[in-house]
Amino acid sequence: DAGVIQSPRHEVTEMGQEVTLRCKPISGHNSLFWYRQTMMRGLELLIYFNNNVPIDDSGMPEDRFSAKMPNASFSTLKIQPSEPRDSAVYFCASSFSSSYNEQFFGPGTRLTVL
Amino acid sequence: QQPVQSPQAVILREGEDAVINCSSSKALYSVHWYRQKHGEAPVFLMILLKGGEQKGHEKISASFNEKKQQSSLYLTASQLSYSGTYFCGTGGGAQKLVFGQGTRLTINP
Repeated sequence: DAGVIQSPRHEVTEMGQEVTLRCKPISGHNSLFWYRQTMMRGLELLIYFNNNVPIDDSGMPEDRFSAKMPNASFSTLKIQPSEPRDSAVYFCASSFSSSYNEQFFGPGTRLTVL
Repeated sequence: QQPVQSPQAVILREGEDAVINCSSSKALYSVHWYRQKHGEAPVFLMILLKGGEQKGHEKISASFNEKKQQSSLYLTASQLSYSGTYFCGTGGGAQKLVFGQGTRLTINP
């Protein structure tokens, strides 16, 4: 079975540009999570969805960040405009809807904003 | 609030044992453990639930002390493949996990 799929795997962009990260969760999973990982701040939850509905977006750093989940098999994280401090690895994870189930992480997107 | 892991880093020889601790200042309903190898995504190891139930796999064990709001991960007879950074994620009842800063484990032959 395919795991969580993320694209692109690497993104290099210039400050001020719009960046869109994409995620396809594991089929059948109804919870989806977006994380950001940096050396300074570690692994941070940005937002998560249950059944395509955003449940907690308190980790979204500011209005420049937005996330959508139009259907059960696709989600996007958008940064507009991007800034150098947004440089990080962004992970998408999915699970069955329960606080007691493991989360399956995608391979991540390494974002570099110049 | 982010849980605190200790130690921050450990270096072992193959076959030695290690213990990684995770403490929280908030009441815990579950503790999740993940391992991340360099350049890869975190991979699930184990979930410990309030009440003592444990879900996991691999030859790694863990404990969960609800009163002390602590969890410990035990790696016995470590193998080279155990190298990586270990994260605990704490849950307060909802699905949201807050991860600790990680413990880097290095296993040398």
